[in-house]
Amino acid sequence: DSGVTQTPKHLITATGQRVTLRCSPRSGDLSVYWYQQSLDQGLQFLIQYYNGEERAKGNILERFSAQQFPDLHSELNLSSLELGDSALYFCASSTLLAGGRNEQFFGPGTRLTVL
Amino acid sequence: GENVEQHPSTLSVQEGDSAVIKCTYSDSASNYFPWYKQELGKGPQLIIDIRSNVGEKKDQRIAVTLNKTAKHFSLHITETQPEDSAVYFCATDNTGFQKLVFGTGTRLLVSP
Repeated sequence: DSGVTQTPKHLITATGQRVTLRCSPRSGDLSVYWYQQSLDQGLQFLIQYYNGEERAKGNILERFSAQQFPDLHSELNLSSLELGDSALYFCASSTLLAGGRNEQFFGPGTRLTVL
Repeated sequence: GENVEQHPSTLSVQEGDSAVIKCTYSDSASNYFPWYKQELGKGPQLIIDIRSNVGEKKDQRIAVTLNKTAKHFSLHITETQPEDSAVYFCATDNTGFQKLVFGTGTRLLVSP
């Protein structure tokens, strides 16, 4: 158990819909990362937040957005869903302290199926 | 942007054999090289990492080597066990704050 929790575990929805994925980082971790894992694209970095502020962006579609709240949990919002958005979505957290190892701890993931 | 290539995509070995997985990267600014293990139904888990100021790092049966000149790094697993069976991902970071670019993964199967 990494200490990172993600809900829900599975999500089945229809094209055009909007969903919200939730992540609670490990206690004490200020940085949260979101990744998408699909068979054709592999494991891709989407976005990173640090202490409530967006820190880095990867290949995140405009239909996707995220935020990190004052209690440090994060949500990833996916809208106007398409079949190709079906994937595993992982959240990871790290301390990201200067000079620290800054290992990323991954949650168990949310499996999104768009029908 | 950074591009990471990983080979082989699948690797089958007998228990007790060694396994080697190789990755090449494109950005010479990359300075952090972690390896993750992903078991079925779970998220990736860091197993070993190396920074660009070190050429080799070992942790029990696992070792990572880095050749900065050639821009490649490798994972070495010795005395493989069936529980080593998983998908292994290499990654790089050229930003300094863990914006990781992952390789395509290697499915390792260790047969008893």
